[in-house]
Amino acid sequence: DVQLEESGGGLVQPGGSLSLSCTASGFSFSSYDMNWVRQAPGKGLEWVSYISNGGSTIYYADSVKGRFTISRDNAKNSLYLQMNSLRAEDTAIYYCVRDASVYFDFCWFDPWGQGALVTVSS
Amino acid sequence: EIVMTQSPATLSVSPGERATLSCRASQSISSHLAWYQQKPGQAPRLLIYDASTRATGIPAKFSGSGSGTEFTLTISSLQSEDFAVYYCQQYNNWPPLTFGGGTKVEIK
Repeated sequence: DVQLEESGGGLVQPGGSLSLSCTASGFSFSSYDMNWVRQAPGKGLEWVSYISNGGSTIYYADSVKGRFTISRDNAKNSLYLQMNSLRAEDTAIYYCVRDASVYFDFCWFDPWGQGALVTVSS
Repeated sequence: EIVMTQSPATLSVSPGERATLSCRASQSISSHLAWYQQKPGQAPRLLIYDASTRATGIPAKFSGSGSGTEFTLTISSLQSEDFAVYYCQQYNNWPPLTFGGGTKVEIK
């Protein structure tokens, strides 16, 4: 069964840092590109970051560029998101999602993890 | 950045009826569109990709159509488990990958 499980969410003060992890199981993690997608409370979905299967290609949304860092460890079947200089507007559920497309040029999301809640507040 | 616009924001439908949801792209995205369903307290679930291809395990009651800038998700004979929020997402021109604002399908 393909599964993604996030961990590391919590409460952090504005300007602080937090690291999220995602552990994958049930598929060949090293063969798939991965993403983080977030959802603010009561709001829609926002793509955050992408990393290719080998880690050589990385993209970020403008809203997090320079503050967030995506990485992966294929030996540990794990995806990470290091979040620095956090702001109130970063408060959201962060989902770890697999790129289900077999084509490099395209990217849709399946499956999704259950999400990790990050709250930025003083 | 390609902007995705979904309409209506809320759709009230009686059980057993059909729901038609719209998604418009700010420029042509060919058929590079996905649809997701999200129920309260749950993560989104992929329904459709390439505008009209159902994902694994998705029943035939869900159908997608369209190309270019105009897309439609049709849900036939709505049941209680189909009342949820639906999002479209484009992957023709990225980064960034962009979503529509969502359509909430509620019981009439």
